[in-house]
Amino acid sequence: AQSVTQLDSQVPVFEEAPVELRCNYSSSVSVYLFWYVQYPNQGLQLLLKYLSGSTLVKGINGFEAEFNKSQTSFHLRKPSVHISDTAEYFCAVSRGYNKLIFGAGTRLAVHP
Amino acid sequence: EAGVAQSPRYKIIEKRQSVAFWCNPISGHATLYWYQQILGQGPKLLIQFQNNGVVDDSQLPKDRFSAERLKGVDSTLKIQPAKLEDSAVYLCASSLVGQARAGSPYEQYFGPGTRLTVT
Repeated sequence: AQSVTQLDSQVPVFEEAPVELRCNYSSSVSVYLFWYVQYPNQGLQLLLKYLSGSTLVKGINGFEAEFNKSQTSFHLRKPSVHISDTAEYFCAVSRGYNKLIFGAGTRLAVHP
Repeated sequence: EAGVAQSPRYKIIEKRQSVAFWCNPISGHATLYWYQQILGQGPKLLIQFQNNGVVDDSQLPKDRFSAERLKGVDSTLKIQPAKLEDSAVYLCASSLVGQARAGSPYEQYFGPGTRLTVT
């Protein structure tokens, strides 16, 4: 069975500082990996995905993530955050049969 | 392109009452999903349809939850009777393809969700 662990439930950071949101997964088979963002009272929006190929994936809003197979990690990074990045971020895994398994989420709070 | 539509956005009911949620996926999307997101947790799949057939309902509490997708387009999710622990956001999502093949990119598009409060 697959599972996703998001190591930090909350991450406070100052505006224009870099940020890393950590995600580890467990699976005995190859998986696809995703990061979604959820703004208050809204649905989920895809930030980026890893399906195959280059392990460094670039997404929307300046975010990127690196797939590390040996460490079973898919950490999300942004070199300089904005107030508008304040939201809940979810890491998810799929075996490709479309069922997404989500982590518990990380709340990113950007302070001025 | 219109996104995934859901209604109502908010619903408050008492325990043991029934409730229904409606979802209209993106036009042409074959696969539709219902997820339950309890406060402080990530979404959890309740049921997945491909066209009007059920692909996965292993996590659906079938004694009280039911879902249908008439004609492979709109879908309704029903809870009868509701329990306090059913308080959650119910998210509907759709995707263009069914089972993804290796190297075949796909994306699930989510609606805004229905926030259910059971008192």
